[in-house]
Amino acid sequence: ETGVTQSPTHLIKTRGQQVTLRCSSQSGHNTVSWYQQALGQGPQFIFQYYREEENGRGNFPPRFSGLQFPNYSSELNVNALELDDSALYLCASSPYMDEQFFGPGTRLTVL
Amino acid sequence: SQQGEEDPQALSIQEGENATMNCSYKTSINNLQWYRQNSGRGLVHLILIRSNEREKHSGRLRVTLDTSKKSSSLLITASRAADTASYFCAAVKISSGYALNFGKGTSLLVTP
Repeated sequence: ETGVTQSPTHLIKTRGQQVTLRCSSQSGHNTVSWYQQALGQGPQFIFQYYREEENGRGNFPPRFSGLQFPNYSSELNVNALELDDSALYLCASSPYMDEQFFGPGTRLTVL
Repeated sequence: SQQGEEDPQALSIQEGENATMNCSYKTSINNLQWYRQNSGRGLVHLILIRSNEREKHSGRLRVTLDTSKKSSSLLITASRAADTASYFCAAVKISSGYALNFGKGTSLLVTP
């Protein structure tokens, strides 16, 4: 157990809809990162937040956005869902720029 | 990109044998990390090796880093069925942000 939780566990949406995924980091971890993992692939970096500000972004379009809150929780929002957005979404928190602690993930299916 | 790339893609061994996985990356790095993932669940951090280190041990794990060849290896000794999982390396360059850039991983199967 890493102490990082994610909700929901599974989610089914239809193309064009919007979705919000949530993550609760360990207390004291002021960095949170989000990753997308398609079936059979390695996780791909979406973005990272440090003290509530975006600190880096991977090769994802602007319809992927995020927020980090002072209570160590964070959100990943995806607008205008596409079929290719179907994946496991992982959040990871860290007390500093070092080892990252991953949550169990949210499995998103877009129909 | 400093993305890690693992080799082989799949590895099947028997309990008690050693398993070796390799990782290559493209640019200079600050550290390289290895993670394990069981059945499409969250990743678990195994070990971190910094660019000025050449070898590191943690229990049955041994990691080496060769910065001149831009490569790393993970050795799991005396494998157990519970070691069955996917293993990923992630190369990290702090000046490019602290993202973990993963490859496709090595799928390890340990049979009793």
